[in-house]
Amino acid sequence: GQQLNQSPQSMFIQEGEDVSMNCTSSSIFNTWLWYKQDPGEGPVLLIALYKAGELTSNGRLTAQFGITRKDSFLNISASIPSDVGIYFCAGQLEDSNYQLIWGAGTKLIIKP
Amino acid sequence: DGGITQSPKYLFRKEGQNVTLSCEQNLNHDAMYWYRQDPGQGLRLIYYSQIVNDFQKGDIAEGYSVSREKKESFPLTVTSAQKNPTAFYLCASSSYWPQHFGDGTRLSIL
Repeated sequence: GQQLNQSPQSMFIQEGEDVSMNCTSSSIFNTWLWYKQDPGEGPVLLIALYKAGELTSNGRLTAQFGITRKDSFLNISASIPSDVGIYFCAGQLEDSNYQLIWGAGTKLIIKP
Repeated sequence: DGGITQSPKYLFRKEGQNVTLSCEQNLNHDAMYWYRQDPGQGLRLIYYSQIVNDFQKGDIAEGYSVSREKKESFPLTVTSAQKNPTAFYLCASSSYWPQHFGDGTRLSIL
């Protein structure tokens, strides 16, 4: 089946550091979505991207839809303790309707 | 408040038993979805429905069944044919994009 490669798998960072994660694929996507999931809860939408090259911010978060339509990245600036969690990318393939393909997640851990 | 409600939060299944997970939304979304999440993995699509009285299999539909009799409701039944049902189940809905999620049901085997 179709796959999204999300990296890194986990990150250990100091509070205040910037964070960067990305998703890549060999397939072309029409939509990229970035979600955050806290333990025992459902994913919460952070940023939605609908157009190649689009760069969108949500507070300290910035995400971009790659020009090739095969990748996307998410940056978090000046990380704080509540940023801890698992971040997922999800993409809608160009030839699909309502289905999303999901990355395996990036676990963000802040070192005390 | 508008949102997606999943119940119960925790569910235990005995061998050979069918169990049903509830998902209700008051967002007036046409599409609803069921996902399975295993530890350390992304979400895998079980079933989805774009309209009342219609639904399609996702990537891992074997051992599961659904119904969509009302726009607001999309219950998932985990049947005895699903031999490894222990997982976190997430329901989502959307009016095209993006998908919004409930808080999940954790299913375990007794």
